[in-house]
Amino acid sequence: DTGVSQDPRHKITKRGQNVTFRCDPISEHNRLYWYRQTLGQGPEFLTYFQNEAQLEKSRLLSDRFSAERPKGSFSTLEIQRTEQGDSAMYLCASSPLGGMEPQHFGDGTRLSIL
Amino acid sequence: EDQVTQSPEALRLQEGESSSLNCSYTVSGLRGLFWYRQDPGKGPEFLFTLYSAGEEKEKERLKATLTKKESFLHITAPKPEDSATYLCAVVHLMDSSYKLIFGSGTRLLVRP
Repeated sequence: DTGVSQDPRHKITKRGQNVTFRCDPISEHNRLYWYRQTLGQGPEFLTYFQNEAQLEKSRLLSDRFSAERPKGSFSTLEIQRTEQGDSAMYLCASSPLGGMEPQHFGDGTRLSIL
Repeated sequence: EDQVTQSPEALRLQEGESSSLNCSYTVSGLRGLFWYRQDPGKGPEFLFTLYSAGEEKEKERLKATLTKKESFLHITAPKPEDSATYLCAVVHLMDSSYKLIFGSGTRLLVRP
């Protein structure tokens, strides 16, 4: 069990640029979640995948955000035309199918918008 | 709308000084409550799941309890390595899974 892996760990970009983050879940975890966490706050849910299907999206996920999980393994989260308010830690979590198995989180990608 | 409030926001303890962190919640039918620990620059690390009032879980110096309106995380004789932010979250069911609604956390500092 190598845990949830996220890349990059840090991303600094200028306002208006596009960024993409990658998440590799724990092997054989069918469920994958993206959350966003700002300083001093708890994580907020963004979206959920079961295998390759995106089944839930938060209203926080504006049309500038898109997420994919093409083969049901790794996932990517892209933000287009970044804004200052997008600065946050983006966390990925995974869990196996069935019931309420705990979600296991990666160490996140910290995004800073200049 | 589901809401989670944690108190205090920050807590400073001397090594060995026991205390409790509070998590109060407002949900339409609790399905589960999770406790996580988060170190600076890291993702949340799972600690406990509680499902029903009266339930208790223990792990080393930590003990989590649940009532119908709140949960407590009791820390007995803490050590400096227990310093972290402790996050509480309630389950919000979705069609095929669940999402977590988190509180803002309690930042714990244990001084030697």
